Amino acid sequence: DAGVIQSPRHEVTEMGQEVTLRCKPISGHDYLFWYRQTMMRGLELLIYFNNNVPIDDSGMPEDRFSAKMPNASFSTLKIQPSEPRDSAVYFCASSFRAGTEAFFGQGTRLTVV
Amino acid sequence: AQTVTQSQPEMSVQEAETVTLSCTYDTSENNYYLFWYKQPPSRQMILVIRQEAYKQQNATENRFSVNFQKAAKSFSLKISDSQLGDTAMYFCATSPGGYQKVTFGTGTKLQVIP
Repeated sequence: DAGVIQSPRHEVTEMGQEVTLRCKPISGHDYLFWYRQTMMRGLELLIYFNNNVPIDDSGMPEDRFSAKMPNASFSTLKIQPSEPRDSAVYFCASSFRAGTEAFFGQGTRLTVV
Repeated sequence: AQTVTQSQPEMSVQEAETVTLSCTYDTSENNYYLFWYKQPPSRQMILVIRQEAYKQQNATENRFSVNFQKAAKSFSLKISDSQLGDTAMYFCATSPGGYQKVTFGTGTKLQVIP
């Protein structure tokens, strides 16, 4: 398996624009996570899915953020409208079951100017 | 709710020496898991070692071992024979046993000096 695949690797956008980050989890993994990493706040869990169903979205900062998982092999994290404070590295991760290792993608570095 | 505290923002160690990274956590769960992840400059998050809270024996993975003190809620990572490739950010993390919500600490930046 190629591992967790995220796209794009880098994204630069202007404030107010819509941004969509994409993730393909490892085949067979039941859990998918979206994390945000910043110098100030470290790694924050934004939302996670189990079997394509959102289980906990309490980490989503505000209504401008939304995440979907239409099928077992694809998920998106959308920010609309984007703001400079959204600049961060966004990681997608997947795992087989609770308590097992989470495999991370390479991350998307988002810069909002 | 779970919290993870890493009190050492930065550390350094001479190549071939041993270093210990500290981590304390708090959880209300009876069953939970503990992890150490490594993030090198490439940004990739890599699992270093994993411990199940109900197992008393400390986990070991080659040069990496943990000192798990359940009563003290402490989970330190020992790196033996440090190598230049060990230079990275190290994150301590925990998740409950019944569901998958991993909480990470703020990380310790480790520099291995040649």
